Amino acid sequence: GAGVSQSPSNKVTEKGKDVELRCDPISGHTALYWYRQSLGQGLEFLIYFQGNSAPDKSGLPSDRFSAERTGGSVSTLTIQRTQQEDSAVYLCASSLDSLAGYLSTDTQYFGPGTRLTVL
Amino acid sequence: GQNIDQPTEMTATEGAIVQINCTYQTSGFNGLFWYQQHAGEAPTFLSYNVLDGLEEKGRFSSFLSRSKGYSYLLLKELQMKDSASYLCAVRDSDTDKLIFGTGTRLQVFP
Repeated sequence: GAGVSQSPSNKVTEKGKDVELRCDPISGHTALYWYRQSLGQGLEFLIYFQGNSAPDKSGLPSDRFSAERTGGSVSTLTIQRTQQEDSAVYLCASSLDSLAGYLSTDTQYFGPGTRLTVL
Repeated sequence: GQNIDQPTEMTATEGAIVQINCTYQTSGFNGLFWYQQHAGEAPTFLSYNVLDGLEEKGRFSSFLSRSKGYSYLLLKELQMKDSASYLCAVRDSDTDKLIFGTGTRLQVFP
């Protein structure tokens, strides 16, 4: 597609339920990133994929959070047993190749985000 | 440690010039990005600096001084549509991660 797409755009769920958020990166982009943005906060890095592997999961806030990427394309972020503090906008970004070198811009292009509200 | 600092809010008048500053401390540096984010929308890429100096792109310019850990985004001939948050982000060379500041919310008044 022309840009990064995410679904759903909005998700309201009850505390304790599981949710799945989907990201479809720009075609041909090998790197994929998940961020979380809470109200009035900066973007918080969650996890990064290079192809299908996730060399950096250090940002996942707890073991309730997991992500996978299949076929080097679509990624799913799963939050189990959601808590109210999980409420935020979850943004996905993709870039051509994060290993492209020092002088490469390797710009990350963001999707529109999924606004998650946990009641 | 890693830290990105930028002002929380700024206001300016249509047609004016505004400079948004960003200072950073990271364990490694591999480029600085500026993104624009309108309320309820995704961040969009504005500029990238990895070498010292000024990068100009139309009404927007971005400056970097690596020795001072300092960057600024300069917006000229402000328009109402420039009202948005401006995010400064540094790519850490050790981890290749983008570390984002909390953003500067700019309001442009007529």
